[in-house]
Amino acid sequence: GAGVSQSPSNKVTEKGKDVELRCDPISGHTALYWYRQSLGQGLEFLIYFQGNSAPDKSGLPSDRFSAERTGGSVSTLTIQRTQQEDSAVYLCASSAVRGLQGNTIYFGEGSWLTVV
Amino acid sequence: GESVGLHLPTLSVQEGDNSIINCAYSNSASDYFIWYKQESGKGPQFIIDIRSNMDKRQGQRVTVLLNKTVKHLSLQIAATQPGDSAVYFCAEDRDKIIFGKGTRLHILP
Repeated sequence: GAGVSQSPSNKVTEKGKDVELRCDPISGHTALYWYRQSLGQGLEFLIYFQGNSAPDKSGLPSDRFSAERTGGSVSTLTIQRTQQEDSAVYLCASSAVRGLQGNTIYFGEGSWLTVV
Repeated sequence: GESVGLHLPTLSVQEGDNSIINCAYSNSASDYFIWYKQESGKGPQFIIDIRSNMDKRQGQRVTVLLNKTVKHLSLQIAATQPGDSAVYFCAEDRDKIIFGKGTRLHILP
C-alpha cells in the first residue's frame, strides 16, 4: 500500500486477555518501529527492527510484550495478559534503508487499545 | 539520562502570527533531528528535518533552527493557521528515533 497500515484500528479487550496488533509497513522499507502513546502523552519507544539485524527490544515495558517481524515485512505486536495500564495507542512506523532519505519514518494511524 | 525534551507543553498563538516551538536535547552525538505534527486521532506526520551539519532549514511556512552549542532545536511556523492546531514533537536519531513529549499548539481566533 501507499502508507503504513495498522489493524485493528480499535480494540477493546478484557483484562487478562492477550491481544495482537498488526503492522504492514510501506513496501520496501527495511526499518520498522513500534511506539506506544498514552492519552495526552508523548511517543514511548517500544521496539525497532532493522533488516535482518537482531531487533532493539530495549523499550518493551515488560515480558508481557513481544513483537516479531516475518519475512522482513509485516510485524505483529503481542501483549499477553493485558492490564488496564496497557490502554494506549500503539503506533507503527517504517523507514527506508538507514542512511538514505534521512531516516524519515512514516507512521500508521495507530491501533487504539482499551483494556477494561 | 539523555533525553529529548520540550520547554512548554502548550502554546497559544493568535491566528496569523508566527509560532515558535522549542526543544532541548542532551545527546551531543545526535546527528539528525526531525519535527512531527500530530493531529487529534491521527498518527504523527513528518514536517521537516535537519542534519547536525546545518543550522537552519526552510520548508513551506516552516523553518527549523539548530543550535548545537546549547543543544537547542526550534520549529518556526509562519502566519499560523487554524489547520496548524496539533501537537508537535521533536525527535532525534540515536540509532533509533526517540521523541520528546510534545507541545500542543492552540490557535486563537
